[in-house]
Amino acid sequence: ILNVEQSPQSLHVQEGDSTNFTCSFPSSNFYALHWYRWETAKSPEALFVMTLNGDEKKKGRISATLNTKEGYSYLYIKGSQPEDSATYLCAHSMDSSYKLIFGSGTRLLVRP
Amino acid sequence: DSGVTQTPKHLITATGQRVTLRCSPRSGDLSVYWYQQSLDQGLQFLIQYYNGEERAKGNILERFSAQQFPDLHSELNLSSLELGDSALYFCASKRGGGQGYTEAFFGQGTRLTVV
Repeated sequence: ILNVEQSPQSLHVQEGDSTNFTCSFPSSNFYALHWYRWETAKSPEALFVMTLNGDEKKKGRISATLNTKEGYSYLYIKGSQPEDSATYLCAHSMDSSYKLIFGSGTRLLVRP
Repeated sequence: DSGVTQTPKHLITATGQRVTLRCSPRSGDLSVYWYQQSLDQGLQFLIQYYNGEERAKGNILERFSAQQFPDLHSELNLSSLELGDSALYFCASKRGGGQGYTEAFFGQGTRLTVV
């Protein structure tokens, strides 16, 4: 994998459903993996930054895991709410700069 | 509110013209990053400035240039505009110059439409 790839591209779920998305990135020259949440007409907001293989981070109902050896990260949302509707972006950096390589995002729509 | 301010929010201009996008970072942040998001593409890193100096460069066209001023605000200049330059341009700021494992704070973006 040369680029950062996210799947699915979009996702519609019902309120209360749990869901997860995937981010795949080059496993060589790994430095950090970032997850951002981006609501329409707002600024992308950082959710997690992970650096170590096996890292797991949690913020409320949202959690993320990291596998640097195989080059993927999962983002999980437990009990989705309509306010979780947003685009979730992951980004990979290969060094200590903030030159992030972003995926195209997963657009989540949570129906009431 | 991330504390990063971008102006203008929207800009419509004609091909061949030149525009300037402005970014005011969060108070105390020394680094400013510029990203471009075109239709159906992820955010593309353009350039980073740290305390007034260019620190890293991405896929920035020669028609584009940026600078960071002593008060730490930054401007992205886009010239000889083409239809394909239509995009959402984001600025982000961080306290330090590196530490890629810490978060940056994004502005709301400037939507540029070239007609």
